[in-house]
Amino acid sequence: KQEVTQIPAALSVPEGENLVLNCSFTDSAIYNLQWFRQDPGKGLTSLLLIQSSQREQTSGRLNASLDKSSGRSTLYIAASQPGDSATYLCAPLTDSWGKLQFGAGTQVVVTP
Amino acid sequence: NAGVTQTPKFQVLKTGQSMTLQCAQDMNHEYMSWYRQDPGMGLRLIHYSVGAGITDQGEVPNGYNVSRSTTEDFPLRLLSAAPSQTSVYFCASTGSGVETQYFGPGTRLLVL
Repeated sequence: KQEVTQIPAALSVPEGENLVLNCSFTDSAIYNLQWFRQDPGKGLTSLLLIQSSQREQTSGRLNASLDKSSGRSTLYIAASQPGDSATYLCAPLTDSWGKLQFGAGTQVVVTP
Repeated sequence: NAGVTQTPKFQVLKTGQSMTLQCAQDMNHEYMSWYRQDPGMGLRLIHYSVGAGITDQGEVPNGYNVSRSTTEDFPLRLLSAAPSQTSVYFCASTGSGVETQYFGPGTRLLVL
């Protein structure tokens, strides 16, 4: 069974600093890995999907890296803003039926 | 497109009552799934479907029933609610099992 760990569990940074969020998973036989954002009381919003054959995926200030062999992914958020405050979840996909396995998330607070 | 919609937003039940959580998507996605989110435990898969008439169990299926008669709808039934089913429930859909997943806004359920 895929086990997903996200470190740190919580992070507080001043505005403008870069954020580094880590995700590790035990089963490296993945199809892809998704990073999601969740605002309090809301649903999940997909940020990036990185395929198993890719090393990096970028969208604006967000960059996700994937090292499948070591079971790690990192989400970088450049020049953080208060609007980036949310919980970030990673979810590797280990079958073709769309069944995601989630980490517990990293709660991020960006202070003005 | 409305994307993935869920009703109700919030529900209070008494132990032993039954109810149906509704989920609909207008993206013509074949794959749909239900997750529950509990503090400190991340999201866990309850049931999933890979097309109309095809459903299967996820990680925590006990106490829940699903059916999929149309591509658009994937209702989740609680047969006899228990306090342990107090949670936030999310529905998700994707076009294929390995594409980006889209989540609904969630249903917050309290069982007394």
